[in-house]
This record gives sequence, C-alpha cells and structure tokens, in this order.
Amino acid sequence: EPEVTQTPSHQVTQMGQEVILRCVPISNHLYFYWYRQILGQKVEFLVSFYNNEISEKSEIFDDQFSVERPDGSNFTLKIRSTKLEDSAMYFCASSEGRTDTQYFGPGTRLTVL
Amino acid sequence: AQRVTQPEKLLSVFKGAPVELKCNYSYSGSPELFWYVQYSRQRLQLLLRHISRESIKGFTADLNKGETSFHLKKPFAQEEDSAMYYCALRDEGNQFYFGTGTSLTVIP
Repeated sequence: EPEVTQTPSHQVTQMGQEVILRCVPISNHLYFYWYRQILGQKVEFLVSFYNNEISEKSEIFDDQFSVERPDGSNFTLKIRSTKLEDSAMYFCASSEGRTDTQYFGPGTRLTVL
Repeated sequence: AQRVTQPEKLLSVFKGAPVELKCNYSYSGSPELFWYVQYSRQRLQLLLRHISRESIKGFTADLNKGETSFHLKKPFAQEEDSAMYYCALRDEGNQFYFGTGTSLTVIP
C-alpha cells in the first residue's frame, strides 16, 4: 500500500539556521499538507498546497516558512531561520481531493538548539 | 479559539469494558469531524469521519450538534485499541483543528 514518506526522521539544527524538511506524498494525490506538533501539545495545521500554490495557511505559517514542490515527487517545508520554539514534530500529509482522507507521513522530529 | 477539546489526557479501561473518548468542539458553521488514531511507533491514521457514519474496528462516533460533541465509543475494548486518539475538525475553509489527544490504555 502506498505511503507518505518523510526525511529525515530527526533533524538537529542550530538556532538561526535554515532547515528543509522533505516529504514524498502518495503519487496520485493532488493536495499536500504540513502540520506540526510541539511536544505535549496538539497537532496544528500549517499549510495546504494544491496545483503548485498554497491554498490555505494558518497564522503559524508566517514568512519564516515556505513550501515548495521542486519536482514531481517531493514536497518540502523550509524554515528560513529556525527558532527554539520551532522544535516540534512535523507531519506531512496528502490527499487525492480537497475533502478526501488525508494520509500522514511518519513525521520529522526537528530539534533546534 | 479552541475549536476541539478532548478533556481526558489519559484514559484506562479494562479489556472487555466499554470505552468512550470525549470530544467537544466549537464552530459556528458546518464542520466535519474526524477521529484519528496513532498506535505506538506508527503514523497518524484516520479512524473514522462523521460523514461516512461507519464503524471501524468496532468504534463508532455520532455527531451531536446540540451538544457540539463527537464522542468515540466502543462497547468492548481490546488490548490492541491502546493508542493515542485525536479528535479533529475541518472547517469550511478546509483547515484542520486537532484536539490535544487522549491516550487510551486497555488493561488486560
């Protein structure tokens, strides 16, 4: 069964550095999403992406964040200058259609030192 | 605004006992409600959604608009039900709001 994959599983970075989190959505899916979960807190929606542009984003998704589909398979989340409070689990998800079931990746744990 | 509330962080029940995981929401429009489950060391996966009105792994959830609740129920808990359960709401703008999750432990 096809799955969403994410790399790396754990990323450690210094505050102020840029990080890129990578996701490979399920191949026939058209909608892509990023969520984050700070340790002990709820899963929070960041952004959704369709047809090579952002379709919805939350207030968390500020100018520090960007998303891109650089090729036909990858979907990336870039954090331009990481802050300590960006430490969290970041989940990618994809769905066939806008209201279809979202399938989640295993997550990338980002630790900002 | 706190859209989804799961009042119980931890819930333990004995195998074979009924289980109910509570979820309340606040949203003035027409939300879609979901339950997601995360088993140990596995990814988050959809358990059920209110529009499909189906039972998955013996779990059911009914949307109660009057009480703004979407509680998850199962009449007889099994050990393999031990997991983290998240209630989620999708608003009309297709944004998802998750609850803080309830960790269910089924005691053999």
